[in-house]
Amino acid sequence: SAVISQKPSRDICQRGTSLTIQCQVDSQVTMMFWYRQQPGQSLTLIATANQGSEATYESGFVIDKFPISRPNLTFSTLTVSNMSPEDSSIYLCSVEQSGANVLTFGAGSRLTVL
Amino acid sequence: AQSVAQPEDQVNVAEGNPLTVKCTYSVSGNPYLFWYVQYPNRGLQFLLKYITGDNLVKGSYGFEAEFNKSQTSFHLKKPSALVSDSALYFCAVRDRNSGYALNFGKGTSLLVTP
Repeated sequence: SAVISQKPSRDICQRGTSLTIQCQVDSQVTMMFWYRQQPGQSLTLIATANQGSEATYESGFVIDKFPISRPNLTFSTLTVSNMSPEDSSIYLCSVEQSGANVLTFGAGSRLTVL
Repeated sequence: AQSVAQPEDQVNVAEGNPLTVKCTYSVSGNPYLFWYVQYPNRGLQFLLKYITGDNLVKGSYGFEAEFNKSQTSFHLKKPSALVSDSALYFCAVRDRNSGYALNFGKGTSLLVTP
């Protein structure tokens, strides 16, 4: 299965700043997904990022707040902009295993906003 | 919309006893159902999936799940629980509107006591 590396693994950020999370996959994948897991909550899909096209955002998430880049088939970034304490969450990158109907997840990036 | 429900926030079981973590689903058409496990401070790990075929699906670490179409359920089971099984378990359904993205239940915390 694909191996996903996320950076940073955790960070403490100040209100009003922005942070970019990187997701690197060890193989080429078409679909990448960004999820958010708020404290004690389940996972919520933020957006789907396919290489060569604009990311598709789920209801409640907008590009100005969560801009996503997908420059190639092995890499993506998610930026959390103008952060507030409500953005304190674990952000997870995931990819679909080609033909396997299974999503593989990175270990996540735990953000704390003060 | 495709969705899953996990009615129990927490399940407690003694080591060596059988365990069941419940999940019901609501989908249009044939469901693609999944179970994932999340250990503390780690990403999600895939356990098993039901796409088609046998209603009893076997997965990693001795876990299995039974797809029951009449009851719209996909309960996770293990014949003999281990203390190391203590973790957070998520049931998920593939959302056709988001390609291969998954919609997750709220999660069930499993505690196995010695």
